[in-house]
Amino acid sequence: SAVISQKPSRDICQRGTSLTIQCQVDSQVTMMFWYRQQPGQSLTLIATANQGSEATYESGFVIDKFPISRPNLTFSTLTVSNMSPEDSSIYLCSVVRGQNTEAFFGQGTRLTVV
Amino acid sequence: GENVEQHPSTLSVQEGDSAVIKCTYSDSASNYFPWYKQELGKGPQLIIDIRSNVGEKKDQRIAVTLNKTAKHFSLHITETQPEDSAVYFCAASIGGANNLFFGTGTRLTVIP
Repeated sequence: SAVISQKPSRDICQRGTSLTIQCQVDSQVTMMFWYRQQPGQSLTLIATANQGSEATYESGFVIDKFPISRPNLTFSTLTVSNMSPEDSSIYLCSVVRGQNTEAFFGQGTRLTVV
Repeated sequence: GENVEQHPSTLSVQEGDSAVIKCTYSDSASNYFPWYKQELGKGPQLIIDIRSNVGEKKDQRIAVTLNKTAKHFSLHITETQPEDSAVYFCAASIGGANNLFFGTGTRLTVIP
C-alpha cells in the first residue's frame, strides 16, 4: 500500500478565489492522479500529474481551471481556480506505484464554495 | 470511452447474510477491475481486484467474479458484518490502474 497525505482535509472558500490542494506520498510512485467526486456521486478522473511536465487532462477539464504541478515522484498539487459553487466536491489524489499495480487514494479534500 | 454501470444503488442485508453487487462495462479492451470501499469522510480503499486472465478471485469473505464474454463482474461479500456498511465502487480500466472508470456506487447497509 501507500501512505497518502492530502491537505487540507476540508475547506470553505469564497467564490472567485482559488484553493491549492497538496498530495504527499510516503515513497516514490510512478503515477499520480487527481479525481473529483461530486456530492453523492462517483469518481471522475481530472488529470494525470506528470513529473516535470504538463499534466494530461481528461475531457471536460482544462489547465486554466485546474492547474496541476508534480515537481518530484512523491508530491503533487491541484489548484481549483476562480471557484464557483459548482466546484463544491471532494478532490482525491491517487497513486500507482508501478506497472500493473493497484491505485491507492488519499482521504480526499472536501471543498465547499459559498 | 468506457462506461461502467453498477447495481443496485442501495442494498440492505441482515448481518450474516450475503451481499452481491454487479457491474457491467462497455469496452471489451478493459482488463483490470478493482473494487473500492468508501466509508464516510474517507477516501476509497481497495478491497479486491481482478484481471481479465482469471474468472474468479477470493480473499476471505470477499470474492469477485468476472465474465468477459458478457462484460460483467460482481462483488460477493459473505457473512456480512456491520462494519461492512459503506459505499462500494466498481471500476474498469485498460492496462492497469492508470485511468479508472468508476461505477456509480452501491450504499451497503448491514443491519445488526
